[in-house]
This record gives sequence, structure tokens and C-alpha cells, in this order.
Amino acid sequence: GQQLNQSPQSMFIQEGEDVSMNCTSSSIFNTWLWYKQDPGEGPVLLIALYKAGELTSNGRLTAQFGITRKDSFLNISASIPSDVGIYFCAGPRGSNYKLTFGKGTLLTVNP
Amino acid sequence: SAVISQKPSRDICQRGTSLTIQCQVDSQVTMMFWYRQQPGQSLTLIATANQGSEATYESGFVIDKFPISRPNLTFSTLTVSNMSPEDSSIYLCSAYEPTDGYTFGSGTRLTVV
Repeated sequence: GQQLNQSPQSMFIQEGEDVSMNCTSSSIFNTWLWYKQDPGEGPVLLIALYKAGELTSNGRLTAQFGITRKDSFLNISASIPSDVGIYFCAGPRGSNYKLTFGKGTLLTVNP
Repeated sequence: SAVISQKPSRDICQRGTSLTIQCQVDSQVTMMFWYRQQPGQSLTLIATANQGSEATYESGFVIDKFPISRPNLTFSTLTVSNMSPEDSSIYLCSAYEPTDGYTFGSGTRLTVV
């Protein structure tokens, strides 16, 4: 089945640094979603990508839909302490709207 | 976008008992899903909750263990039956609507002792 390989598994950075994480798949995805999960909460959508090559920003976040439709990256610029959390990539399998999730990237930001 | 209210937010249950989790959406949605997130893990889809009919379960999940109801387009329940410590997880409700995309509830943190 479709699987998403997300890396890195965890990151420890200093406040103000930029962060990059990515997801790859052996299968084509038509949509890439990036979520953030805070402790004790459900995932919250950060950015949605719908077209190969698409580059989308949301404040300090930028994500790109790879041209092959098999990968995506998320960048966070000038990190701040509230960026701490787990970041997941996800994509719907086929046409049935079921989401497959990557294993997540745990981000720690040291003030 | 749709807002999901999920309850309880957390519970501690005795093994062998059952817990029913409720998911209420503030608008009618096309699709509703239930996910499990085991400690330190990613989200795994349990089933698609179908309005007025039996849920569609993913491989590894069965109706006897995780009965699901969806009586209308805004409400669903997931029951975790005959619980064991291995069922300790976060259970998440999700909704999908073409105009809004995917929304998640805040989750139910279940601990089985």
C-alpha cells in the first residue's frame, strides 16, 4: 500500500534557526498535507498542496509539492519556541479520501 | 471549516470494560473517520464511519472490537470493547468535506489499567 517516509524523525534546534523536513513515497499522491500536533491535541492543518510543483507559504512556513508527485518538503523559517510539536505529512489514498500519515518529525526549539 | 467536539477528552478504564467515544461536528460532512495514535506513533486509520450503514474497517481492525455508529451526517461514536492495556492510545475523530478538507477532533486519551 501507499506509505510515506518522513524525515528526520526528530530535530533539536536553537530559536531563530530555519528547519526543513520532508516526505517521500514510492507511490504518486495527488494531494500533500502538512499537519502540526501539539501535546494533548489533534493534528491541525498547516498547508495543503494540490498541484505538482506547487510552492505555498503560510507565514513562516513554506511547503512544496514535488514535481514527481512522490515527495514534499516543509520549511520553517526563524523558528520560535511555540513551533515545538510533532509535524506530520499526509496524503489521501486514491479516491476514497482515507489519509495516510508519515511517522512524524518531533521538533524541539531551544530558546 | 468544520469544528469537531470529541468527548471524553481522556479516561482511565479498567481492563475488560468498554468505552464509547463521541464525535460531534458542527456541520454536515461527507466523510467521517476514526484514527488511533499509539504512544509515540503516527496516526493509523481504524475505519470509515458510514452514515446509516456498517463502518468500513481497515486491515487489523474488526467490528467486534471497535463498533462504530454514524446515525446522521454530523455525529459518530467509536466504542473500544473489552479493553486491554494494549488499547491505551489516543483516538481521533476526523471529518472530510470537499469544500473544507480534513478536520480533526482534539482526541481522546485512553489509558487502560
